[in-house]
Amino acid sequence: ELKVEQNPLFLSMQEGKNYTIYCNYSTTSDRLYWYRQDPGKSLESLFVLLSNGAVKQEGRLMASLDTKARLSTLHITAAVHDLSATYFCAASNTGNQFYFGTGTSLTVIP
Amino acid sequence: DTGVSQNPRHKITKRGQNVTFRCDPISEHNRLYWYRQTLGQGPEFLTYFQNEAQLEKSRLLSDRFSAERPKGSFSTLEIQRTEQGDSAMYLCASTQAGAGEKLFFGSGTQLSVL
Repeated sequence: ELKVEQNPLFLSMQEGKNYTIYCNYSTTSDRLYWYRQDPGKSLESLFVLLSNGAVKQEGRLMASLDTKARLSTLHITAAVHDLSATYFCAASNTGNQFYFGTGTSLTVIP
Repeated sequence: DTGVSQNPRHKITKRGQNVTFRCDPISEHNRLYWYRQTLGQGPEFLTYFQNEAQLEKSRLLSDRFSAERPKGSFSTLEIQRTEQGDSAMYLCASTQAGAGEKLFFGSGTQLSVL
């Protein structure tokens, strides 16, 4: 079974600062997904990374994938309060099952 | 596109009772997934269907859990003889195989077993 680990688990950052969330996975995976979850809500897809070296950007968020290192990163640039949420990465080695990390709870402080 | 719909939103039951949840996926999606999420954890895979066929089921899933997807449209998840440890958010997601497999999640059913 593919294991997915995220760090940090909790992140408190000031508005305007930059930070990176890391997602490591245990076995070969050629696709990686990032989701956002607001309290009491369901998961919303942010990025789908389907190849080594893939980089996707949306607003202040940028995600990348290094399949050789089994690592994906979610970089936050100039954080704003609206980015406060829990962020999950998920990996799949077959395109059938998706394994989620435990999430990173992000709080952006004014 | 009305999104993935789950019913009920909340379910409170007594230990030992049976419960059934329903999921209506996005109509053109052929894959449907069930996940369970507890507080502070990521979604845990339970099972998935492609059309009406149940292709995979988590080894951690008790025999008390059963899922169906008749006619390849909506799906039901039944838990028999509920236990307090079953209390969780049950999430349904759908996708179209071969399209990058981005999952579209429903709002979930929050189960509380007293």
